Amino acid sequence: DQQVKQNSPSLSVQEGRISILNCDYTNSMFDYFLWYKKYPAEGPTFLISISSIKDKNEDGRFTVFLNKSAKHLSLHIVPSQPGDSAVYFCAASSGNTPLVFGKGTRLSVIA
Amino acid sequence: DAGITQSPRHKVTETGTPVTLRCHQTENHRYMYWYRQDPGHGLRLIHYSYGVKDTDKGEVSDGYSVSRSKTEDFLLTLESATSSQTSVYFCAISDFTFGGTYNEQFFGPGTRLTVL
Repeated sequence: DQQVKQNSPSLSVQEGRISILNCDYTNSMFDYFLWYKKYPAEGPTFLISISSIKDKNEDGRFTVFLNKSAKHLSLHIVPSQPGDSAVYFCAASSGNTPLVFGKGTRLSVIA
Repeated sequence: DAGITQSPRHKVTETGTPVTLRCHQTENHRYMYWYRQDPGHGLRLIHYSYGVKDTDKGEVSDGYSVSRSKTEDFLLTLESATSSQTSVYFCAISDFTFGGTYNEQFFGPGTRLTVL
């Protein structure tokens, strides 16, 4: 059973518009959530994170929202740029346990 | 970028042969991890280590073993490689402050393994 789910395998967005990537989780013990970005032939790179004591964290064009009651988080990218085209992984952990990853969403930003 | 290297970066081997992948870090991080990435499966944890000689199994540990004799090195061994182990393997490292929730992992560049 998947504890972290990314139900959209792919997403296409026009350059300059908002990209919204979604992630759902089932384990109520998760208290830390992260987004990673991955380009082909490279390792994933950390993008942004949020603790369960917050409902929003912003870093430049990237904002992560956490809805604990719905066990849902989302990543907003505004404005989207062609260089944002990549696979995005949602991840979660509880305390010091290893991260659990979703299957990823491939974002294509079209110029 | 975190100092993580993986070797080899590419390897082709035959079914039944042993294979060892190496992860080396220069960050002195306590935790090290091995993941595999496959289409439709995302990143799945194979094994991880929380200190020298301290390791534990992950989600997909069958057919794999690990060893960590030094802080900086974490080895992943496929005792007898099978075609189902064809994948891209990523090493990751992380560290924690006491009582903190810090859990950011830094990933290496990956090793592409093909088992024929």
